[in-house]
Amino acid sequence: AQKVTQAQTEISVVEKEDVTLDCVYETRDTTYYLFWYKQPPSGELVFLIRRNSFDEQNEISGRYSWNFQKSTSSFNFTITASQVVDSAVYFCALSEPYQGGSEKLVFGKGTKLTVNP
Amino acid sequence: SAVISQKPSRDICQRGTSLTIQCQVDSQVTMMFWYRQQPGQSLTLIATANQGSEATYESGFVIDKFPISRPNLTFSTLTVSNMSPEDSSIYLCSVDMVGDDTQYFGPGTRLTVL
Repeated sequence: AQKVTQAQTEISVVEKEDVTLDCVYETRDTTYYLFWYKQPPSGELVFLIRRNSFDEQNEISGRYSWNFQKSTSSFNFTITASQVVDSAVYFCALSEPYQGGSEKLVFGKGTKLTVNP
Repeated sequence: SAVISQKPSRDICQRGTSLTIQCQVDSQVTMMFWYRQQPGQSLTLIATANQGSEATYESGFVIDKFPISRPNLTFSTLTVSNMSPEDSSIYLCSVDMVGDDTQYFGPGTRLTVL
């Protein structure tokens, strides 16, 4: 069965530090998607990125970057020059084939990031 | 992406009562899902809301406790029945957009049961 492990429960950094959030996954599927979502204190879940299992290119979006390595089944997320507004819980998720051709999401337990001024 | 709204945004309810949560999306979607997030925990899929047919429930969730409706392609409701304090959670709906392999989430409903 699919599984997502986020070993870091909580991380605390000082503003402007770089921080990496780890995500390790398990799946028997050859085709799948990986996701990162951000959940600020307000509670909504904000989509950050989707990565196809066939695309191992790293991606950068502003201060955010993602490193996908199939060899180690990891999809790590780095925030460069962190800011207080980055404080949130971050979830990594893995898709699982589901009914109607859609995908079901399996979530990790989340990493709570606190960025202190 | 789509604009997804949920009502109510939060509520405090008494034990034994029921609450119906609404999820509305501004465009047609293929799938609508309901998740529960207990305090300090990750998200757990409750069920998939199917348009025109019964919802599909995950293991551990039953229709009598969490009846779901989806009368059209853009609207769904989740009822939390006969509530107990253990039902205190954030309930989130999510949607799969046509031609987009990404689930987008509503703002959530924060439920407290006393």
